[in-house]
Amino acid sequence: ETGVTQTPRHLVMGMTNKKSLKCEQHLGHNAMYWYKQSAKKPLELMFVYNFKEQTENNSVPSRFSPECPNSSHLFLHLHTLQPEDSALYLCASSQEAGNSGTIYFGEGSWLTVV
Amino acid sequence: QKEVEQNSGPLSVPEGAIASLNCTYSDRGSQSFFWYRQYSGKSPELIMFIYSNGDKEDGRFTAQLNKASQYVSLLIRDSQPSDSATYLCANYGNNRLAFGKGNQVVVIP
Repeated sequence: ETGVTQTPRHLVMGMTNKKSLKCEQHLGHNAMYWYKQSAKKPLELMFVYNFKEQTENNSVPSRFSPECPNSSHLFLHLHTLQPEDSALYLCASSQEAGNSGTIYFGEGSWLTVV
Repeated sequence: QKEVEQNSGPLSVPEGAIASLNCTYSDRGSQSFFWYRQYSGKSPELIMFIYSNGDKEDGRFTAQLNKASQYVSLLIRDSQPSDSATYLCANYGNNRLAFGKGNQVVVIP
């Protein structure tokens, strides 16, 4: 069990659905991240939040909408996704963004878009 | 140029042998380097980090960093079947953690 918890672990959604991924960290960290992992590709950084403020949006399509209500919680709202968005979505946290410290991952949410 | 490059293709090693993984990076200003292990269907877990040139040992794992040549490597001694996984190299550069594609290691009993 990690200090970063993600729900749901598996999600199947249609292209017209709206769903959300949730992440909670219990490590007292101030930075939270969303990564996407597709087969045969490196981990792709999507969003970074530092002290609840979004500090990076890595050219992510607007059908992905993050929300960070506090330093412990992070959401990824999903709307009108495409089949190519099917992937493992990983939440992570670290003490503070940009300080070269270790980041810790949650177990991930497997998303399938049909 | 990719930020972090790892050799492609799975690495098969007999049980008890040494597995050697290499990684090169493009940002000369990178200060910290990480190796993560990822089992199939699981999330990456940190196994080693290294900040200084030279070797760092932790149990059966040794990380080696050469900043002049911009490479970092991971050695796994006395490989066990439980070491079969994908190993991700990552480094902190340009204010972000960049990952390589990963190297799959298969330890053959």
